[in-house]
Amino acid sequence: EDKVVQSPLSLVVHEGDTVTLNCSYEVTNFRSLLWYKQEKKAPTFLFMLTSSGIEKKSGRLSSILDKKELFSILNITATQTGDSAVYLCAVSTGTASKLTFGTGTRLQVTL
Amino acid sequence: NAGVTQTPKFQVLKTGQSMTLQCAQDMNHNSMYWYRQDPGMGLRLIYYSASEGTTDKGEVPNGYNVSRLNKREFSLRLESAAPSQTSVYFCASIKYSRETQYFGPGTRLLVL
Repeated sequence: EDKVVQSPLSLVVHEGDTVTLNCSYEVTNFRSLLWYKQEKKAPTFLFMLTSSGIEKKSGRLSSILDKKELFSILNITATQTGDSAVYLCAVSTGTASKLTFGTGTRLQVTL
Repeated sequence: NAGVTQTPKFQVLKTGQSMTLQCAQDMNHNSMYWYRQDPGMGLRLIYYSASEGTTDKGEVPNGYNVSRLNKREFSLRLESAAPSQTSVYFCASIKYSRETQYFGPGTRLLVL
């Protein structure tokens, strides 16, 4: 059975802090790992990672994948209150690109 | 482009009633998916359709049926709703593998 585990389950930080969210996985037929942000509605896409060691960056967010150790991290620097959300990690598997999700990390950024 | 649309946005059912959740995409995507999201459980795959004319079970298919009506539309049917099916349902689509899935806005279903 495919499995995706995220940690921590939740965290509260102050604006300006840097946070690291973790995602580990055990799946068969790995295709890619994806990060989504969810704010009380549909998940919105952040990153897709397919190769080990190549960092993807978008503004203050960055992510990297380690296919040998089967994990990924999502970094957010200089956090803002608008970063408050649930961050979902998902792994795409098989030719049909089915997604297996972790339970998410709830991030709250306070002033 | 509207992207992925879902109807209805919210529905209340009584136990035993049936209903169909509708999903449509206008991006000419090949594959479509239905997920449910429960508190503390993340999103779980119910059914998917890798291409027009095909459907397959996901992780939690019991109590549901699907129809891939054409390339644009993928519906999810609850034949006899149960309180355990109270959830938020998301439809998603993808054009090719190795691309990201696009999600619809969700349908919130409450079964009493």
